[in-house]
Amino acid sequence: DQQVKQNSPSLSVQEGRISILNCDYTNSMFDYFLWYKKYPAEGPTFLISISSIKDKNEDGRFTVFLNKSAKHLSLHIVPSQPGDSAVYFCAASSRGGSQGNLIFGKGTKLSVKP
Amino acid sequence: DTAVSQTPKYLVTQMGNDKSIKCEQNLGHDTMYWYKQDSKKFLKIMFSYNNKELIINETVPNRFSPKSPDKAHLNLHINSLELGDSAVYFCASSQDPQPNTGELFFGEGSRLTVL
Repeated sequence: DQQVKQNSPSLSVQEGRISILNCDYTNSMFDYFLWYKKYPAEGPTFLISISSIKDKNEDGRFTVFLNKSAKHLSLHIVPSQPGDSAVYFCAASSRGGSQGNLIFGKGTKLSVKP
Repeated sequence: DTAVSQTPKYLVTQMGNDKSIKCEQNLGHDTMYWYKQDSKKFLKIMFSYNNKELIINETVPNRFSPKSPDKAHLNLHINSLELGDSAVYFCASSQDPQPNTGELFFGEGSRLTVL
């Protein structure tokens, strides 16, 4: 049973435009959400996170929005750059859960065309 | 200087063999993890060690045995390899046992193929 879902396996965007990656979760106990970025043949690298007490967190070109009532979060990249082309994983955890147990989605492959 | 390094990066072996994957981190973190990414691309936690002590052991066959000689190393030994063990195994570390306040630092992954 997938607790974290990324329903779009891929997304193609033109350079300079906005990229929006979506993530849904089912476990209402999740209270911390993270986005990781992964290039081929490399491990995932942390990108941005958000606590459930917030609905938005911004870091440069990256903004994560959290809608707790809808159990939905999204990652916005503006403006998109070719170097952003990678697989983006959404992950979630709960403070009451197993320590270090991040639940990951399957990832969305973003392609930014020059 | 690689923060989390794991070896080997690629491993091809026959069913029934025993193999190990080594992981080392030079970040001074107290907690290390093993994650498995299967053919469906899900990243799932297998084990977590904090200061050489096991703190997470998800539903993983007994054939998988982690060993942490010190807090900078977490090795994964797999006995009697099966076809279903084919996956990419990622080692990771974090400063905090609960990555709620921080992030995981992942190694590059070790792709295991069992024939």
